[in-house]
Amino acid sequence: QQQVKQSPQSLIVQKGGISIINCAYENTAFDYFPWYQQFPGKGPALLIAIRPDVSEKKEGRFTISFNKSAKQFSLHIMDSQPGDSATYFCAARPYTDKLIFGTGTRLQVFP
Amino acid sequence: DTAVSQTPKYLVTQMGNDKSIKCEQNLGHDTMYWYKQDSKKFLKIMFSYNNKELIINETVPNRFSPKSPDKAHLNLHINSLELGDSAVYFCASSQGVRSSGNTIYFGEGSWLTVV
Repeated sequence: QQQVKQSPQSLIVQKGGISIINCAYENTAFDYFPWYQQFPGKGPALLIAIRPDVSEKKEGRFTISFNKSAKQFSLHIMDSQPGDSATYFCAARPYTDKLIFGTGTRLQVFP
Repeated sequence: DTAVSQTPKYLVTQMGNDKSIKCEQNLGHDTMYWYKQDSKKFLKIMFSYNNKELIINETVPNRFSPKSPDKAHLNLHINSLELGDSAVYFCASSQGVRSSGNTIYFGEGSWLTVV
């Protein structure tokens, strides 16, 4: 069965620190890996995404690192801010199929 | 302007009732989805429609019936509600479904509580 495993379940980081969330997948047919950010009471929103032909993608303070051989990818949030406190979901999509989400990571950034 | 809007936002109802959640998107997308988020925040796809045609139908009880009158609308009707149906239901849309990489835009969710 297609799965995306995400860890940790929750993460507490001090303001200015680095937040790291990890995901692993099994199906090598996955070819698109987005990260979604969800604030309380809101729907998930696309944060950043990567394809497996690159090993890293950076947008501002957010970076995805991708290791194709290990079938792992991670989100790094540099200089974490209280406004980054949210639930983060990794996801993966096989070609022509549905998006499969990880189990989510609740990030809390304390001032 | 809201891109994906769904109503109602909150719904409290008794077991056995029938209820509907409506969804509309003004992004011009041709694909719409219903996702269910349970109390542990796990997001799971229920249905997907492309140009009013059902293309994804996960193992959802047949008490759940989606209806797409046109490609901008996807409604979810739930019959004989059960306690386990309590969750947040998200409507979403994207442009295209047959190729990867199309951003999925989510609505703000409909909180359903069955008592």
